[in-house]
Amino acid sequence: EPEVTQTPSHQVTQMGQEVILRCVPISNHLYFYWYRQILGQKVEFLVSFYNNEISEKSEIFDDQFSVERPDGSNFTLKIRSTKLEDSAMYFCASRELGSYNSPLHFGNGTRLTVT
Amino acid sequence: GNSVTQMEGPVTLSEEAFLTINCTYTATGYPSLFWYVQYPGEGLQLLLKATKADDKGSNKGFEATYRKETTSFHLEKGSVQVSDSAVYFCALGNRDDKIIFGKGTRLHILP
Repeated sequence: EPEVTQTPSHQVTQMGQEVILRCVPISNHLYFYWYRQILGQKVEFLVSFYNNEISEKSEIFDDQFSVERPDGSNFTLKIRSTKLEDSAMYFCASRELGSYNSPLHFGNGTRLTVT
Repeated sequence: GNSVTQMEGPVTLSEEAFLTINCTYTATGYPSLFWYVQYPGEGLQLLLKATKADDKGSNKGFEATYRKETTSFHLEKGSVQVSDSAVYFCALGNRDDKIIFGKGTRLHILP
């Protein structure tokens, strides 16, 4: 069964550094998402992306965050200047259809640790 | 706005016990409802879904019925196994683009 893949599985960075989290969504999916999960807490929506542009973003997704689909297969999340509170699991997800009936398919996540 | 509330965990049961994890929602219109499961070290996997009132989603012995009158989507299983130990998330999809999640309920099954 096709799956969403994320790299790296664990990223450690110093405060103020830039990080790029990478995702390869399922190949025939058209809608892409980033969520984050701070340890032991709820899964929070960050951003959705369709047709090479952001379709919706949360208030968490401020100017320090950006997303890109550089080459038709990868989908990246960049944090320009990391803060301690950015430490979390970041999950990429994709969806075949835009209908809210269709489920999201998640990757296994990247654990980001900011020191 | 849209929101999902699910029971606090952790929930600890013995193998073969009956499971209920409560979930209620607030939404305008007619959302779709989902249960996702997260096993240790993994991402979220869809467990089951229901797209309209009175629909019952089911998978791997788990069931949940979309109850519009009580705005609920409680997860049930008649006889749990150790392998069901995981975190379970109730979720809602509505006319906007995203799916929103409850806080998750950690389930621990004792052999």
